Amino acid sequence: QKEVEQDPGPLSVPEGAIVSLNCTYSNSAFQYFMWYRQYSRKGPELLMYTYSSGNKEDGRFTAQVDKSSKYISLFIRDSQPSDSATYLCAMSRLSGSARQLTFGSGTQLTVLP
Amino acid sequence: GAGVSQSPSNKVTEKGKDVELRCDPISGHTALYWYRQSLGQGLEFLIYFQGNSAPDKSGLPSDRFSAERTGGSVSTLTIQRTQQEDSAVYLCASSLDRGLGEQYFGPGTRLTVT
Repeated sequence: QKEVEQDPGPLSVPEGAIVSLNCTYSNSAFQYFMWYRQYSRKGPELLMYTYSSGNKEDGRFTAQVDKSSKYISLFIRDSQPSDSATYLCAMSRLSGSARQLTFGSGTQLTVLP
Repeated sequence: GAGVSQSPSNKVTEKGKDVELRCDPISGHTALYWYRQSLGQGLEFLIYFQGNSAPDKSGLPSDRFSAERTGGSVSTLTIQRTQQEDSAVYLCASSLDRGLGEQYFGPGTRLTVT
């Protein structure tokens, strides 16, 4: 079983829809939670970053963490065609000398105009 | 400012040949990471450099893989005797320090082994 599970999709929604992307994890040692957006043939781009349970909002994006359920979500309001990308959740823990990231496999999102 | 850069952007090589992939981190970033991303998979950690400390090589899949970082800046990932299963996108990331995990990624090198 992978430490981080993410539904690969693909997910297709109409423009303006609310999008919900989710990851579950099994290791309670994870302390920090991130969402990355990756456009085709580009490197991942950090979108949201949080370390506590609850919600964090940034414009149209809301990151939600529930440590008791080991579940994180990313909500995108008023989705736009430019949001079409693969979304990767990532989590980190202090392991030896490195703040290593463990990634989900990514969810491919298409927002249709 | 300039982000993380990687070269080449694409590399096609024959099975058995050696390849070198280059990463230029963001200026001032002391931590540098290499990841591998295979089709439909998440990012697989390969190796981590932090300042002058010994690198964390725990993610390297075999002894055909090695990496070095010269002068605390540019890094080279070398794959010897490439195999078809090495075909993937190799991503480099850098961060300001090891504290919070905010890593900034380059565009990657797409390696195809024929």
